[in-house]
Amino acid sequence: GDSVTQMEGPVTLSEEAFLTINCTYTATGYPSLFWYVQYPGEGLQLLLKATKADDKGSNKGFEATYRKETTSFHLEKGSVQVSDSAVYFCALSPLFSGGYNKLIFGAGTRLAVHP
Amino acid sequence: EAGVAQSPRYKIIEKRQSVAFWCNPISGHATLYWYQQILGQGPKLLIQFQNNGVVDDSQLPKDRFSAERLKGVDSTLKIQPAKLEDSAVYLCASSSFRQGQATNEKLFFGSGTQLSVL
Repeated sequence: GDSVTQMEGPVTLSEEAFLTINCTYTATGYPSLFWYVQYPGEGLQLLLKATKADDKGSNKGFEATYRKETTSFHLEKGSVQVSDSAVYFCALSPLFSGGYNKLIFGAGTRLAVHP
Repeated sequence: EAGVAQSPRYKIIEKRQSVAFWCNPISGHATLYWYQQILGQGPKLLIQFQNNGVVDDSQLPKDRFSAERLKGVDSTLKIQPAKLEDSAVYLCASSSFRQGQATNEKLFFGSGTQLSVL
């Protein structure tokens, strides 16, 4: 079945460091791909998405490119801030889901940014 | 705009007891989801409603879990009887998705109900 694999955390960085969180997926066809973020004490919220191969999603300085050839959707940010400390979830929406919108999540990667 | 509301925020029960969680989605959202998030894992879909009909409950342990969305608005998820392995955060989400649209609509999540089964 469809699945998402993320790099294990926690990822600990100093402020202004470069961030990469790896995400790969297994799915039939071309699913839509997402990154959701969960800040402490809050619900998950959409960070960015890409719906077809070679699309780049971006938001708040974060970027991820849909790579069909490597089945990947790695999250990157050039300069992280303390406020980026959160848990990041990669997710996919299967192409064939009976016509209904559903999300399959990875295990999440905790990011801790220190001043 | 009001977000997805869930209650209670925390619940502690003993095994074999029953428990219920409530969710009120964003107004006008046709699709409602219940996810289970076990510590250290990603959210797993338990059940998905389109209006008041179930469209996916393939991962719902139906011998102990039940859910309803009677009027197509708010929803209740129940566990009876609870087991130790049910300890998790139960997330409710909603989406404006309607059948026939592209399957990449954003989901809006509530803050969740943290359940501890002792």
